[in-house]
Order: sequence, then C-alpha cells, then structure tokens
Amino acid sequence: GENVEQHPSTLSVQEGDSAVIKCTYSDSASNYFPWYKQELGKGPQLIIDIRSNVGEKKDQRIAVTLNKTAKHFSLHITETQPEDSAVYFCAASGPSNSGYALNFGKGTSLLVTP
Amino acid sequence: DTGVSQDPRHKITKRGQNVTFRCDPISEHNRLYWYRQTLGQGPEFLTYFQNEAQLEKSRLLSDRFSAERPKGSFSTLEIQRTEQGDSAMYLCASSLIQGHPNTEAFFGQGTRLTVV
Repeated sequence: GENVEQHPSTLSVQEGDSAVIKCTYSDSASNYFPWYKQELGKGPQLIIDIRSNVGEKKDQRIAVTLNKTAKHFSLHITETQPEDSAVYFCAASGPSNSGYALNFGKGTSLLVTP
Repeated sequence: DTGVSQDPRHKITKRGQNVTFRCDPISEHNRLYWYRQTLGQGPEFLTYFQNEAQLEKSRLLSDRFSAERPKGSFSTLEIQRTEQGDSAMYLCASSLIQGHPNTEAFFGQGTRLTVV
C-alpha cells in the first residue's frame, strides 16, 4: 500500500521566517496530495491541496510543490506568524486507496516563536 | 452548514464496556470516512461509506468495531468490549464525490476515547 514519509518531525522558526515541510510517497498511482493543519484537541483542517496534473499551487502565504517523477511534495509557509504553530500533516490518495481514503504522514510539529 | 460534527468530544470508559460515537457529515456529502489517530501519529483509515453502503474496512477494524450509516446521513461507530489499546482519537471526515472520485475531505473535531 501507499507509504507517506514526512520530514522534519519538529520545526522551530522565528516569526517572519519561512518554513518548509517535505513528504515523499511510494505509490506512483497517487494523484491527490492535501495538507492539513491540526491544533491541539481539534480535528485536521485542510489548508491546501494539489493534484498530480499541477506542479505548484499557492494560496497567500502557503504554497505546495509536487515533483511526480521523484514522488515528493512540499509545503512552504512564508512570513510565518505565531498562529501558524500547529501540527501539519501531508497526505496522499489515489485509486489504490480504499474509497480514495487518505494516507497520512506522521506529522510535523511547527513552532513559530515571536 | 457548520461542517462535520462529532459527538461526544470526549469519552472515558472502563475496559470491557461498549461505546458508540456519532458523526454528522456536511449535508449532501455522499462519502463518509472514519479514521483513528493515536498520539504522535497521523490519522489511519478505518472504513468508509458511499451514501448508506459501507464499501471497505481496514484490517485495523477488528470484529469488535462496527459502523453504520442509515439513510446515508449521520454515521455511528460502535466499539464493543473496549480494550486499553482502543484509546485514541476517532475522526470522521466527509466529502462530496461528483464525477472526479478524489475530492477534498473535511474532518470533524474528533472523539477522544480513553479506556481505563
């Protein structure tokens, strides 16, 4: 089945700096790659996603890039703010997954210090 | 619409007891998923429904677990004879499948189960 690996597991940046989280996947049939933000005690919140027919997508301070050949994708957060502090999960999905369910990475705990 | 709603938010139960969780998806979302999340891990797929039909179960879902989605609306997840290893956050997600099978999934706040 699909295996998603995520790095780093923890990331600490100063307010205003950029943060980059990287993920790799194993199933070349995967074609949908969302990113979720999870705050303590809450459910995951979709922040951005990308499909395999696109190489890059941007939404204000957040961008995601996808390299299908290398089977990796990354989340970029610019001008980080303390409220960006949370656990971020990457995920992959495709026809190999039951009902196109998501395979998640283990998460990155991001801390933005003022 | 207020999004995916789960109830209860927290549940503490004694080992051996049965528990039931409820999920109300975003209205008109025809696909509903259950995931389990343990501390320090990403959510793991348990099962999913297309309308009222349960189409797939993960091998993580033992015989003590059962899920239903009567009338294709809300869903329930029941765990019988709970064990300490069942302690986790149980998450529900829903999505609207129209044509393209792969669309955004929206999660609820989860039910945190503690088995003592």
